[in-house]
Amino acid sequence: SQQGEEDPQALSIQEGENATMNCSYKTSINNLQWYRQNSGRGLVHLILIRSNEREKHSGRLRVTLDTSKKSSSLLITASRAADTASYFCATAALRGTASKLTFGTGTRLQVTL
Amino acid sequence: GAVVSQHPSWVICKSGTSVKIECRSLDFQATTMFWYRQFPKQSLMLMATSNEGSKATYEQGVEKDKFLINHASLTLSTLTVTSAHPEDSSFYICSARDRAGVGGYTFGSGTRLTVV
Repeated sequence: SQQGEEDPQALSIQEGENATMNCSYKTSINNLQWYRQNSGRGLVHLILIRSNEREKHSGRLRVTLDTSKKSSSLLITASRAADTASYFCATAALRGTASKLTFGTGTRLQVTL
Repeated sequence: GAVVSQHPSWVICKSGTSVKIECRSLDFQATTMFWYRQFPKQSLMLMATSNEGSKATYEQGVEKDKFLINHASLTLSTLTVTSAHPEDSSFYICSARDRAGVGGYTFGSGTRLTVV
């Protein structure tokens, strides 16, 4: 399987704390993306980092990419209860503009008050 | 931003019947759409890539005669689950990217299929 691995599988933190999720993948990529999924809903695109980028920020989100280790991390700072969701990394292969995405196994984040 | 509308959001059907799920890009044109299947607490598994005006490309292990995909226009792709069985019960999600191919992919809100 080409599916990526994410860890931890589940993470429970208190509001205000930071949450870090890690993703490892197997093939060469064009870019790596992070998505959030609320229970029973579709996915929401959070951030995209290209293969020639090492770090990217968007609001409370910080993503890093290490192509030599085929790994990425997503940091959510100052977490809120509304951040409770599953988070998936997804990689786009090195071809075309409509490359299919391969998703990681996901991290279920629970933020408690 | 880009919006993908997926309908229905949930459906219950009897074994042996067929169910059609629609995926529409509302404010952009999508030459390619993707169909995923997700089991509870698991990740998304790509089923097929839907190409406007041509045959869909199915992933290994996905029965093309069971999961019929039609992409008749630049804004609509449909997935029909034929002769549904209880093991087809799952969460089906579509996604699309605009023709410019910039940024992330936009996902529909998903369809919860229950076959009884």
